[in-house]
Amino acid sequence: DQQVKQNSPSLSVQEGRISILNCDYTNSMFDYFLWYKKYPAEGPTFLISISSIKDKNEDGRFTVFLNKSAKHLSLHIVPSQPGDSAVYFCAAAAPRAAGNKLTFGGGTRVLVKP
Amino acid sequence: DSGVTQTPKHLITATGQRVTLRCSPRSGDLSVYWYQQSLDQGLQFLIQYYNGEERAKGNILERFSAQQFPDLHSELNLSSLELGDSALYFCASSVASGTYQETQYFGPGTRLLVL
Repeated sequence: DQQVKQNSPSLSVQEGRISILNCDYTNSMFDYFLWYKKYPAEGPTFLISISSIKDKNEDGRFTVFLNKSAKHLSLHIVPSQPGDSAVYFCAAAAPRAAGNKLTFGGGTRVLVKP
Repeated sequence: DSGVTQTPKHLITATGQRVTLRCSPRSGDLSVYWYQQSLDQGLQFLIQYYNGEERAKGNILERFSAQQFPDLHSELNLSSLELGDSALYFCASSVASGTYQETQYFGPGTRLLVL
């Protein structure tokens, strides 16, 4: 039972263009969402998060959008840079319901071409 | 650098053996989480400790156990190892118990290979 899904396993984008990563969830108890970036042989690095009381959060080149009615969130990276090439994981939490465990999507591998 | 440290970085052992993975959380963080990343399962939550007490449990096998010590470092013990236990094991930490929205910061992981 995959409660968090990233349906695109990979994404290729030209340097300078926008990268859009999508994530869907099924559990309505989730109220906190995070995006992590992961390079090979390293741990996930926190990028940006959003609370369910918001529909958008921005941090530099990264913007996360949340559509609660559709149970969908997306991460926009603009402009994309070669150093953004990594695997991106969407994660969700329901802190008040179940501690603070994160439920992860399967990841999207992003390749930014120079 | 997230501030979370894990040792060892790599571990190679044989089936049936027992290993201990160690994690030190970021300074000031009271919660420690363990996750397993295997090829076919993605990142899966194993267990959470908060200030020495077990706080939440995921699909952790009975052969696996964990604890958090008074200095807040944590150890994950894996016993009677099987080939399928080969995976990356990540530790994460956060400030408090998780009753409000907070971010988890991950360590670099321990790569376990069971032969």
